[in-house]
Amino acid sequence: KAGVTQTPRYLIKTRGQQVTLSCSPISGHRSVSWYQQTPGQGLQFLFEYFSETQRNKGNFPGRFSGRQFSNSRSEMNVSTLELGDSALYLCASSLALPGSSGANVLTFGAGSRLTVL
Amino acid sequence: EDQVTQSPEALRLQEGESSSLNCSYTVSGLRGLFWYRQDPGKGPEFLFTLYSAGEEKEKERLKATLTKKESFLHITAPKPEDSATYLCAVQPASGGYQKVTFGIGTKLQVIP
Repeated sequence: KAGVTQTPRYLIKTRGQQVTLSCSPISGHRSVSWYQQTPGQGLQFLFEYFSETQRNKGNFPGRFSGRQFSNSRSEMNVSTLELGDSALYLCASSLALPGSSGANVLTFGAGSRLTVL
Repeated sequence: EDQVTQSPEALRLQEGESSSLNCSYTVSGLRGLFWYRQDPGKGPEFLFTLYSAGEEKEKERLKATLTKKESFLHITAPKPEDSATYLCAVQPASGGYQKVTFGIGTKLQVIP
């Protein structure tokens, strides 16, 4: 069973550019979320999607955006990159369904390592 | 606001030397507390979910326990392959299906 696939794995950008990261969830998982991981802040929630709808958004500026497609694949975009955006961006998927009461185990991809120069 | 604090930040153990990692949390209603393991260059890998105070779960040399304010990850007779960063996370009872608050983690090094 294929896991969560993220592309690209590594990328280098310069300040002011924009970047798009891609995530393919585990087959059958319709919930996808994105996290930013930095050494000082740890993993911080960016946003989550279910059935192409954003269900929740973390405390990040509007430069960070995302979307989900009908096949559950997701992309996130960061515009006008800043040095502080350098981080590991992790995508996670789960079987979570709206209204479910149980805890949702997240399965993470290997991440996309973004370096902003 | 949900918060997770892990200690120590780093831990160095000799092979076979048992120890515990601490996770203190505050959450407005706990749906679940998670432990993940993260190896360098990889995403976090799920270990355990705990739901209520008093619950314990075990997997090989790892045992996770939960109280109303803390969780502990006990590592018995660790081996070098247990070296990794261990992350604790909480999911609140309301507000999002995948929104989880993580601690910064404990970086464990087990020396042969």
